[in-house]
Amino acid sequence: EVQLVESGGGIVQPGGSLRLSCVASGFSFETKWMHWVRQGPGKGLEWVSRIKTDGSITAYADSVKGRATISRDNAKKTVYLQMNSLRPEDTAVYYCTKEGDYYGLDVWGQGTTVTVSS
Amino acid sequence: DIQMTQSPSSLSASVGDRVTITCRASQDISQYVAWYQQKPGKVPKFLIYRTSRLHSGVPSRFSGSGSGTHFTLTINGLQPEDIATYYCQKYDDSPWTFGPGTKVEVK
Repeated sequence: EVQLVESGGGIVQPGGSLRLSCVASGFSFETKWMHWVRQGPGKGLEWVSRIKTDGSITAYADSVKGRATISRDNAKKTVYLQMNSLRPEDTAVYYCTKEGDYYGLDVWGQGTTVTVSS
Repeated sequence: DIQMTQSPSSLSASVGDRVTITCRASQDISQYVAWYQQKPGKVPKFLIYRTSRLHSGVPSRFSGSGSGTHFTLTINGLQPEDIATYYCQKYDDSPWTFGPGTKVEVK
């Protein structure tokens, strides 16, 4: 079964940091681009970041550029999202997603919740 | 960056109705559009890629069309289980921006 399991969410004060993790199983992780997508409370989906199969190419939404770093460890079948200088507007459910063979995001994790509050 | 808009923001239709959701890009994105369905309290589900190609297992009542800057998602024969918010997404290049979503309710 293809599966993505996120962890690392929690409550953090403004200005703090968190590292989100996503462990993949059931597919050839090292051959797939991976993404993070977030959804604030009562809001729509917001694309956050993507990373190439070997980690050599990354991209970010303007809203997190300079504060977020996506990375991966293919040996551990894990993708990470390091978030620094967190703001209240970063409060959201963060989904790890897999890019499909024909593009689009075909597999989603259950999400991990990040709350930025003092 | 290219912006994505959707209309309407919400709609209410009867079971069996044909429902059409429009997605517009601020610049030409060829056919690099995907659609997702998110039911209340659930994880988004991948529906369509490359404007019109159904993902595996998606019911045939769903269809997509368009190119360039104008795209549509159509549900032919709305079912109660189709109550959800639908999002388009561009993937011609980063950022892979989502539209704001269209909430579909059944009368």
